Amino acid sequence: QVQLQESGPGVVKPSGTLSLTCAVSGGSISSSTWWTWVRQPPGKGLEWIAKTHHSGSSKYNPSLRSRVTISVDKAKNQFALNLTSVTAADTAVYFCARVVSWIWYFDIWGRGTLVTVS
Amino acid sequence: QSALTQPASVSGSPGQAITMSCTGTSSGVGNWHIVSWYQQHPGRAPKLLIYDGTKRPSGVSNRFSGSQSGDTASLTISGLQAEDEAHYYCCGYPGDNTFLFGGGTKLTVL
Repeated sequence: QVQLQESGPGVVKPSGTLSLTCAVSGGSISSSTWWTWVRQPPGKGLEWIAKTHHSGSSKYNPSLRSRVTISVDKAKNQFALNLTSVTAADTAVYFCARVVSWIWYFDIWGRGTLVTVS
Repeated sequence: QSALTQPASVSGSPGQAITMSCTGTSSGVGNWHIVSWYQQHPGRAPKLLIYDGTKRPSGVSNRFSGSQSGDTASLTISGLQAEDEAHYYCCGYPGDNTFLFGGGTKLTVL
């Protein structure tokens, strides 16, 4: 059973870079699927950030594209998110999830990690 | 600009059935039929309820069902239970290889 676990700093300074990793256990990140990040500001709805594939392909939310990088580390069986030039508006719970390709839905989620920009 | 619109809130009494909508709007071609639904309780990660508009993953109660008509997807919960009180989000795949969530609907069980 695949499980996902987010990790990273809980606090990031304004104008700094938010860096998170999502460790994949119980399966290989090199399987034929995509991996994604979703965030949720306190008291608000879900926002899709980006998706990546072990082949190196990635796709981004146009509203965040200029500040976001998503990548895969096959050796560590994890994927990462970098978000630059953060502001208070980037304060959110960040979730990683597995994407089921072709039918395009998120079947497995991490528990989420709160990142506060302050 | 694409968007998925959900009502902010719906409510129902135990045992009743409720339906919530998710309407897609876009300035171009969209694959709004590729819709999934997620349930989220406070402080928890979202949980997949429906995928591909109408399909239910194993382990999800058959009280949850999805349907679509044109640009509107709907989630119906029958036999409403107290544990169903949560936020519900639809998610579409607009055909440009990105995803888009609706704003979410808060379900209150009276």
